[in-house]
Amino acid sequence: EVQLVETGGGLVQPGKSLKLTCATSGFTFSNAWMDWVRQSPEKQLEWVAQIKDKSNNYATYYAESVKGRFTISRDDSKSSVYLQMNSLKEEDTAIYYCTLGGPYWGQGVMVTVSS
Amino acid sequence: DIVMTQSPSSLAVSAGETVTINCKSSQSLLSSGNQKNYLAWYQQKPGQSPKLLIYLASTRESGVPDRFIGSGSGTDFTLTISSVQAEDLADYYCQQHYSYPPTFGAGTKLELK
Repeated sequence: EVQLVETGGGLVQPGKSLKLTCATSGFTFSNAWMDWVRQSPEKQLEWVAQIKDKSNNYATYYAESVKGRFTISRDDSKSSVYLQMNSLKEEDTAIYYCTLGGPYWGQGVMVTVSS
Repeated sequence: DIVMTQSPSSLAVSAGETVTINCKSSQSLLSSGNQKNYLAWYQQKPGQSPKLLIYLASTRESGVPDRFIGSGSGTDFTLTISSVQAEDLADYYCQQHYSYPPTFGAGTKLELK
């Protein structure tokens, strides 16, 4: 059974950093392309970032709204994907989901950016 | 970026009714190479992550009841729910994955009349 479990969310002040972790199991992680998607308090879904697998040189892609501030990475030995979020803004407040694509989504983790 | 315009934003229904949710993309989602439309529909209930209902515009995900029907091609797509059940009350989103970045519609809230 595919499982995706996000951790690391919380309340953080604007300008600060936070790192999210998505621990996975139930599939061959090393071959998978992984994404982060977020959902604002207004319920709008927004794709955030993607990281491809080793055969694709771990290529990464970002939404314009987070480019230069967020970094997606992975550790195939731990079957985990990460989202390092720097220079956080109030508009980054959202539930962050880790997803393998299609039907495979984590339960989400809340990130609140507020002073 | 491809803009996904979903309508209506909310819909009040009675159990047993048939409902239609529309999704229009700013560019065609039809691949000329394989004639497939890269459009998906998700259902989201309160406190849950989005659940995939339909992919490639009209293919039902495993386990999804056959009252959920996806149709359309190019830029215009529809999700039809026939004989709505109480368990179908949720938010519905369309998503294109034809080109990067993947983008979502703003959602349709299905409520009880």
